[in-house]
Amino acid sequence: QVQLQESGPGLVRPSETLSLTCSVSGGSISSYYWTWIRQTPDKGLEWIGYIYSNGNTDSNPSLKSRVALSVDTSKSHFSLRLTSVTAADTAIYYCARMLLSRTNRYFDLWGRGALVTVSS
Amino acid sequence: QSVLTQPPSLSGAPGQRVTISCTGSRSNLGAGYDVHWYQQVPGTAPKLLIYGDTIRPSGVPDRFSGSKSGTSASLAITGLQAEDEADYYCQSYDSSLINYVFGGGTRVTVL
Repeated sequence: QVQLQESGPGLVRPSETLSLTCSVSGGSISSYYWTWIRQTPDKGLEWIGYIYSNGNTDSNPSLKSRVALSVDTSKSHFSLRLTSVTAADTAIYYCARMLLSRTNRYFDLWGRGALVTVSS
Repeated sequence: QSVLTQPPSLSGAPGQRVTISCTGSRSNLGAGYDVHWYQQVPGTAPKLLIYGDTIRPSGVPDRFSGSKSGTSASLAITGLQAEDEADYYCQSYDSSLINYVFGGGTRVTVL
């Protein structure tokens, strides 16, 4: 079955760039939407953005100016870059697969999550 | 303050029925956008429980059921079991925020 696994640094300095990669195994990355979601005790679950396998993207308006998403279908992984991070970006970051219901999208498969702490 | 409002906590004895509410507004549930539900056991990733208001993915027990009416949705758990102790989140889309939104989560405790 399809599995997702996040990887990347667990500690990022303030004002620097957070970079995470999600590896997709057990199935194809093509023809699907892939997404990033983060979770904090204060704000709960927050959608960050998605990327389609052809490279089309969309992101949360509140994060759009700092988010960059990319996909490498040959390596079966997709990536998140979040620039100019602050302590407020400290969170567990999940990658997930996104499917379409009748009227919007939902997240049917999730990675285990990666804790990223922003601190000097 | 989450866009979708859920009670912070609920509890029930084994075998009982509990219902978790998810209240939205005219720009999300009231606009006809589907609601989806996730279960998160502490320390693990969320797991899809219900999608498209009422549909259970393969492998989800039929003790879990979803419904929606107007600006509100509900997740019912019948025959509550110890393994159902977890956090439950609703999720939809908001056309005003142009964003996929979540409820704040409901912690279900099995007494």
